[in-house]
Amino acid sequence: DAKTTQPTSMDCAEGRAANLPCNHSTISGNEYVYWYRQIHSQGPQYIIHGLKNNETNEMASLIITEDRKSSTLILPHATLRDTAVYYCIVRVPNNNYGQNFVFGPGTRLSVLP
Amino acid sequence: EPEVTQTPSHQVTQMGQEVILRCVPISNHLYFYWYRQILGQKVEFLVSFYNNEISEKSEIFDDQFSVERPDGSNFTLKIRSTKLEDSAMYFCASSVTGFSAEAFFGQGTRLTVV
Repeated sequence: DAKTTQPTSMDCAEGRAANLPCNHSTISGNEYVYWYRQIHSQGPQYIIHGLKNNETNEMASLIITEDRKSSTLILPHATLRDTAVYYCIVRVPNNNYGQNFVFGPGTRLSVLP
Repeated sequence: EPEVTQTPSHQVTQMGQEVILRCVPISNHLYFYWYRQILGQKVEFLVSFYNNEISEKSEIFDDQFSVERPDGSNFTLKIRSTKLEDSAMYFCASSVTGFSAEAFFGQGTRLTVV
């Protein structure tokens, strides 16, 4: 699985958009980009995923650059409850093995009032 | 909303004792996982399980560990002889298929080995 690089921490004002970058310059053509988050010490929570097109769901938007070497997770209107560690993961989905994610250190996002 | 449930939420055990951590995955899911997170460290993959057998395991998942699906609902992780370094939060997860982007994680069992 390709290695990812994320900033260690970021701050965001409540109500503003939070833009979390991820670098995955060695990503291969069949690797997807997944975003999960972990609030305090709870279990990780799925946010969004994509291959090459931009994606949006009720939680967030995912913008993947055309060369797929980096992506940005956007939380459009951050709330205090979005304070968490955000993980960017790249891997090839494999129906034989399942989703055995490699979690890095992630980005600790602090949403400030 | 369906969820993965884990019991107990916190377990304290003596070094050398056996522990069994229990999980009830979401009912229509076919893939099951155990991850662990040592305090202050990364979430680490331990094992994946499909069709009543281990499909993949990490280097952490040595002979001290085993998993079982004893009935149609429970998924267990057994640590045969616990060590101090096994102290961690253990997360169970499940997904509908191996391709599913969304793995649903439980709230975890905090294991403390003393």
